[in-house]
Amino acid sequence: DAKTTQPPSMDCAEGRAANLPCNHSTISGNEYVYWYRQIHSQGPQYIIHGLKNNETNEMASLIITEDRKSSTLILPHATLRDTAVYYCIVRIANFGNEKLTFGTGTRLTIIP
Amino acid sequence: GAGVSQSPRYKVAKRGQDVALRCDPISGHVSLFWYQQALGQGPEFLTYFQNEAQLDKSGLPSDRFFAERPEGSVSTLKIQRTQQEDSAVYLCASRTGSENIQYFGAGTRLSVL
Repeated sequence: DAKTTQPPSMDCAEGRAANLPCNHSTISGNEYVYWYRQIHSQGPQYIIHGLKNNETNEMASLIITEDRKSSTLILPHATLRDTAVYYCIVRIANFGNEKLTFGTGTRLTIIP
Repeated sequence: GAGVSQSPRYKVAKRGQDVALRCDPISGHVSLFWYQQALGQGPEFLTYFQNEAQLDKSGLPSDRFFAERPEGSVSTLKIQRTQQEDSAVYLCASRTGSENIQYFGAGTRLSVL
């Protein structure tokens, strides 16, 4: 799976949009971008994933650049409960390649 | 609905003791995963089951680590002769056969003294 690079930490004011970047310059054509987050003392929680088109669900939006070498996770109206470590993972999403390879992620702190 | 359940939530063991960690996946989930998370690090893959078959155990750090899922539902991760370096959070995840999203439990925090 392709390696990802994320900033170690970010702050965001409550109520503002939180934009979390991820670089994956070695991504290959059949690799998806997945985002998980881990709130303190909990297991990782799936947020969203995409291949090349932008995606949106009830939690977040995922913007993938046209060359697919980077992406941004957007939390549109951050709340204090969004304080967590956010992991960007690039992987082939077939059922023979099963494991998730986590990096160290971005520690997002929402400021009241 | 019920999520992935892990027990115990916390386990303290003396060095050299054997421990068993339990995972109850989401009902009907075909695949089950174990991960190890050291303090300040992201989770690292240990092993993977599809039903009762252990298809990948490449992440198990030594032969002291053993996992089983005999009836294709509940899984147990066993660590023999625990060492201090085994102290970590052990996470279990499961997924359906059709959706490639893993759902995680809250983990078991193992402290080896």
